[in-house]
Amino acid sequence: DVQLVQSGAEVKKSGESLKISCKGSGYSFTSYWIGWVRQMPGRGLEWMALIYPDDSSTAYNPSFRGQVTISADKSISTAYLQWSSLKASDTAMYYCARFGGPRFSNWYFDVWGRGTLVTVSS
Amino acid sequence: QSVLTQTPSASGTPGQRVTISCSGSSSNIGSNTVNWYQQLPGTAPKLLIYNNNQRPSGVPDRFSGSKSGTSASLAISGLQSEDEADYYCAAWDDSLDGGIFGGGTKLTVL
Repeated sequence: DVQLVQSGAEVKKSGESLKISCKGSGYSFTSYWIGWVRQMPGRGLEWMALIYPDDSSTAYNPSFRGQVTISADKSISTAYLQWSSLKASDTAMYYCARFGGPRFSNWYFDVWGRGTLVTVSS
Repeated sequence: QSVLTQTPSASGTPGQRVTISCSGSSSNIGSNTVNWYQQLPGTAPKLLIYNNNQRPSGVPDRFSGSKSGTSASLAISGLQSEDEADYYCAAWDDSLDGGIFGGGTKLTVL
């Protein structure tokens, strides 16, 4: 089965750093882009960034560029999303998802992780 | 405010057909394909429609998608109680050079 398994919930304080993970299995991890999606409490979905694990090429939503860093370790089929200094407004559910389309113009996420809840207190 | 506009809510009774719309622009829906996601309460989103009108395996044919110009629609026929969920449209945006989601439509089955 194709799966994306995300790391567990995190509770942090403002100013702390954090790195959450997303491990792929059941497919060739280096052949598909992986993305991250934010969902703030009671709100909709927001596309954050993409990474191609084979060469670590990235694409960022301008709203998130400089706020988070996406990375991947293809040797362990794992993608990451990290913050250097969390804010209370980063409190949200974060989903990783596999990019299923052949090119950006046909972008869609066909496999999703279950999400990692990040809670940041001030 | 999302670049893709969806009506915030929709409703129908069991067995009915409902349509959810998604309005965009030439830089997103007008030039790229549309996909739709279903998010049941407390769960991760699930891909429902891709490439405007294609269903992944396992998605019932009660769900169908269409696109015309800079707008797209998701139709659900034979509405069932388990269809009560949030539905999001999405597309690549050439101006943003990234993906975008609609604001979501909360579907209530009365």
